[in-house]
Amino acid sequence: EVRLVESGGGLVQPGGSLRLSCAASGFTFNTYEMNWVRQAPGKGLEWVSYISSSGDTMYYADSVKGRFTISRDNPRNSLYLQMNSLRAEDTALYYCARVLNDVLTGQIFDYWGQGTLVTVSS
Amino acid sequence: DIQMTQSPSTLSASVGDRVTITCRASQSISSWLAWYQQKPGKAPKVLIYKASSLESGVPSRFSGSGFGTEFTLTISSLQPDDFATYYCQQYNSLWTFGQGTKVEIK
Repeated sequence: EVRLVESGGGLVQPGGSLRLSCAASGFTFNTYEMNWVRQAPGKGLEWVSYISSSGDTMYYADSVKGRFTISRDNPRNSLYLQMNSLRAEDTALYYCARVLNDVLTGQIFDYWGQGTLVTVSS
Repeated sequence: DIQMTQSPSTLSASVGDRVTITCRASQSISSWLAWYQQKPGKAPKVLIYKASSLESGVPSRFSGSGFGTEFTLTISSLQPDDFATYYCQQYNSLWTFGQGTKVEIK
């Protein structure tokens, strides 16, 4: 069974930092691309960041570029999001999501974790 | 960046109704469009990929259509389990979600 379990969320002051983790199990982690997606309270979904299966290619949404860094540790089956210079507008539930990159489907998000809540407030 | 615009934002409907949600892309995305369903307190779940292909296990009352910039999600006969929020997502160039459509009980 595929499982994605996020952790590391919490309350942080504006300008602070936080590191999110996503523990993966039930599949061969090092063969899948991964993403972070966030959802502000009562709002819609926003794609945040992507990392390739090997970890050598990353993309970011403009809203987080230069402040957030995505990474992965394939031997540990783990995905990370280092968040610096946090702002109130970064307050959200952060999901990790697996990419099903198949010639038939394209790059859809087929499995999601349950999310970890980040609150940026003084 | 590609922008996705969904309409309506909220839809009130009854069990058995035919429901249609529209998604428009700011530029052509070919068929690289997915639809997700999200229930309160839960992660999103993919329903449709490549504009019109039904994900395994998704009921056949869900269908998708469209190409280029105009897409629709149709629920042929709304069931109690379908009251949720629906998002379109383009994956032609990175990923962008629409703002969501909440399907409410009328």
